[in-house]
Amino acid sequence: SQTIHQWPATLVQPVGSPLSLECTVEGTSNPNLYWYRQAAGRGLQLLFYSVGIGQISSEVPQNLSASRPQDRQFILSSKKLLLSDSGFYLCAWSTVPGQGADTQYFGPGTRLTVL
Amino acid sequence: GQNIDQPTEMTATEGAIVQINCTYQTSGFNGLFWYQQHAGEAPTFLSYNVLDGLEEKGRFSSFLSRSKGYSYLLLKELQMKDSASYLCAVRDGDYKLSFGAGTTVTVRA
Repeated sequence: SQTIHQWPATLVQPVGSPLSLECTVEGTSNPNLYWYRQAAGRGLQLLFYSVGIGQISSEVPQNLSASRPQDRQFILSSKKLLLSDSGFYLCAWSTVPGQGADTQYFGPGTRLTVL
Repeated sequence: GQNIDQPTEMTATEGAIVQINCTYQTSGFNGLFWYQQHAGEAPTFLSYNVLDGLEEKGRFSSFLSRSKGYSYLLLKELQMKDSASYLCAVRDGDYKLSFGAGTTVTVRA
């Protein structure tokens, strides 16, 4: 069965510091991978998605970036955090289109607080 | 852009039925998903509709009308553990999901 991991689970960082969040998926090959952010009391906002190694699509202009160095590894980064970057960051995976419902399954999330 | 609307909050009694409505206006349609999210946790998949009609999975059912841009999630025999936020999401192409803000359901004894 497939498993998705995220770390760290929680993070408190000062404004202006760098960020690196990691997501890995087990039990599947060539998944689509996604990064979402959920601000307090708000819906999920898609930040990035990737259909393969080195292929990143950005949905929202911001000071965040994403990379996919390996098939089942997805990294979210920032060089300088802003207060507005606080939120619940969720990684998700799905199968490629055409394979059933292509449901997105979420990892446990990282709660980021920028002070 | 995408517009997905669902009520902010609903309250119901244990053992009752609650229906959560979702209306959407999207540039395309390739499936509608419902997720459950308990406070502080990640969303978990509940149901998927791509054709009109009702999909039933135990105590939960989901309905879709593509012509009306409308879906609902029906929760029967409510239990205290059903207290959570329920997210409606529409896929308009091959990959991307657009989410509503979620409906917080509170189940009272």
